[in-house]
Amino acid sequence: AQSVAQPEDQVNVAEGNPLTVKCTYSVSGNPYLFWYVQYPNRGLQFLLKYITGDNLVKGSYGFEAEFNKSQTSFHLKKPSALVSDSALYFCAVRAPIYNQGGKLIFGQGTELSVKP
Amino acid sequence: GAGVSQTPSNKVTEKGKYVELRCDPISGHTALYWYRQSLGQGPEFLIYFQGTGAADDSGLPNDRFFAVRPEGSVSTLKIQRTERGDSAVYLCASSPLTSGGTGELFFGEGSRLTVL
Repeated sequence: AQSVAQPEDQVNVAEGNPLTVKCTYSVSGNPYLFWYVQYPNRGLQFLLKYITGDNLVKGSYGFEAEFNKSQTSFHLKKPSALVSDSALYFCAVRAPIYNQGGKLIFGQGTELSVKP
Repeated sequence: GAGVSQTPSNKVTEKGKYVELRCDPISGHTALYWYRQSLGQGPEFLIYFQGTGAADDSGLPNDRFFAVRPEGSVSTLKIQRTERGDSAVYLCASSPLTSGGTGELFFGEGSRLTVL
């Protein structure tokens, strides 16, 4: 069965500093991995995904994530945090299938707080 | 509109009542997903449709929950004999038909259900 763990409920960062939000996964076969962001009272917004290829994936708003197969991790990173990055971040995994669909399994979420 | 539309945005009902939540996906998206999100938790998978048929309903918690998508577009999530524990935000997402299921999900802003 697929599962995702986000070990930190909350991450606090000063504006301008680099940020990392951690995610580890468990899935049979090669995973498809996603990061979503949720602002207060809003729906989830897609940030980036890893399907295959380069282990470093770049996404929206300057975010990137690094796929590490040996550590089964997909940590979200940004070189310089902004106060506007403060939000709830979710990692998700989907097992690869050929019938063009399939559920995403989400982690519990990590609240990112960026202070000026 | 261009995004996933969910109605109502807020629903307050009494224990034991019947509730319907509607989702209008992005035009042309063949896959449609329902998730439930409780406060402080990640989205929990309920069911997903490919076209008109439910491809995976393993997340429906019990037989009080049912979902339909009769014409392969709009979907309705139906909850019978609501209980206080059903209170949550119900999220709908859609996804285009992509090979191998690599496409990301596009989420609506959710329907907040409160059962008194």
